[in-house]
Amino acid sequence: RKEVEQDPGPFNVPEGATVAFNCTYSNSASQSFFWYRQDCRKEPKLLMSVYSSGNEDGRFTAQLNRASQYISLLIRDSKLSDSATYLCVVNPDERAGGTSYGKLTFGQGTILTVHP
Amino acid sequence: NAGVTQTPKFQVLKTGQSMTLQCAQDMNHNSMYWYRQDPGMGLRLIYYSASEGTTDKGEVPNGYNVSRLNKREFSLRLESAAPSQTSVYFCASSSNRNTEAFFGQGTRLTVV
Repeated sequence: RKEVEQDPGPFNVPEGATVAFNCTYSNSASQSFFWYRQDCRKEPKLLMSVYSSGNEDGRFTAQLNRASQYISLLIRDSKLSDSATYLCVVNPDERAGGTSYGKLTFGQGTILTVHP
Repeated sequence: NAGVTQTPKFQVLKTGQSMTLQCAQDMNHNSMYWYRQDPGMGLRLIYYSASEGTTDKGEVPNGYNVSRLNKREFSLRLESAAPSQTSVYFCASSSNRNTEAFFGQGTRLTVV
């Protein structure tokens, strides 16, 4: 089983739609979770961190379910500019005492295309 | 703000040639990484360095070596390039307390 798994899609949605991505992780000791965005032929960039209580940033909402070991990303009112690959990222190497080596593990990414 | 700088941006090698990919960050981060990205495979960790003077293997280390020259610089070396190493290579860095990673712009390597 891969450490981090995502549905690769692609997801094709019209402008204004709501779309949700899920991601599962295998290491129950994982502590840090993120969503990154990658545009075509560009480097990944942080979209948002995912906190235990869930968090929202404008049209984007991230949720964490530790019991089921998955995280989700919800995008409301999709824009053409949201078209990208969304990468689920987990830090599986949280050391005792809170010191993390930050060995980030990436899912394969979910491709989103928003069309007019 | 330079962030993470990788060189070169593009490279074509012949099978068996060697080369070194350079990476430098100016954010005083402790951790640095090398990933490769292939279609349908996502980003896979080649090597990482938790701090200056330490390196450790990631998921796909075979055929690569790394050097953490100092806190700023982390280089990736291909001693004898193979066509299977054709990929896009990303360097990244993060601090230990805030593990969000910042990426360089990538190196597109083709081995023929």
